[in-house]
Amino acid sequence: EAGVTQFPSHSVIEKGQTVTLRCDPISGHDNLYWYRRVMGKEIKFLLHFVKESKQDESGMPNNRFLAERTGGTYSTLKVQPAELEDSGVYFCASSLRTGGLDLNEQFFGPGTRLTVL
Amino acid sequence: GENVEQHPSTLSVQEGDSAVIKCTYSDSASNYFPWYKQELGKRPQLIIDIRSNVGEKKDQRIAVTLNKTAKHFSLHITETQPEDSAVYFCASHLYNQGGKLIFGQGTELSVKP
Repeated sequence: EAGVTQFPSHSVIEKGQTVTLRCDPISGHDNLYWYRRVMGKEIKFLLHFVKESKQDESGMPNNRFLAERTGGTYSTLKVQPAELEDSGVYFCASSLRTGGLDLNEQFFGPGTRLTVL
Repeated sequence: GENVEQHPSTLSVQEGDSAVIKCTYSDSASNYFPWYKQELGKRPQLIIDIRSNVGEKKDQRIAVTLNKTAKHFSLHITETQPEDSAVYFCASHLYNQGGKLIFGQGTELSVKP
């Protein structure tokens, strides 16, 4: 079974530019999560999709971040315009949704390392 | 909101020794506590988890204990091996909050041969 994949693995951009990160979850996983780890700190929740719907976006830092999951398959996270503090590793995770509950194992992708100069 | 504190931030042990990593959480409604291991350059992977109705869970050399009264949980690794070297993250999940995980700051474990 293919795991969660993310693209690109690394991205270096200048402040003010736009970057789009992509996540392909495990096939059949309705739950998709975005997390971010900044400067060796904790992994912080950004948002949660159930299929194509945003279930919880309480962790999104501000309106420069836009996440989509059209069709309920892959997801994109766009940062526009990027700021220095957006640098970090962005992880995507997916899990099964059974019986309306979300306590199944979350499988993580390898992450995208974003550097904003 | 929920907050998870993890200690220590770094831990160095000799091969064969035990390692213990501790986490505390703030919200008593937390009901699920996974532990993830992230080896250098790789993705975080679940190594063990525990639900709030259980006090202890063991899987070969790793075990997790949960004290709901004190709101803390710990990861225990016995007979450590060099391949146990990694960053370990604890996390908590709040009841009825979707699948959002709140992570601790991570512990970098180094096992010296």
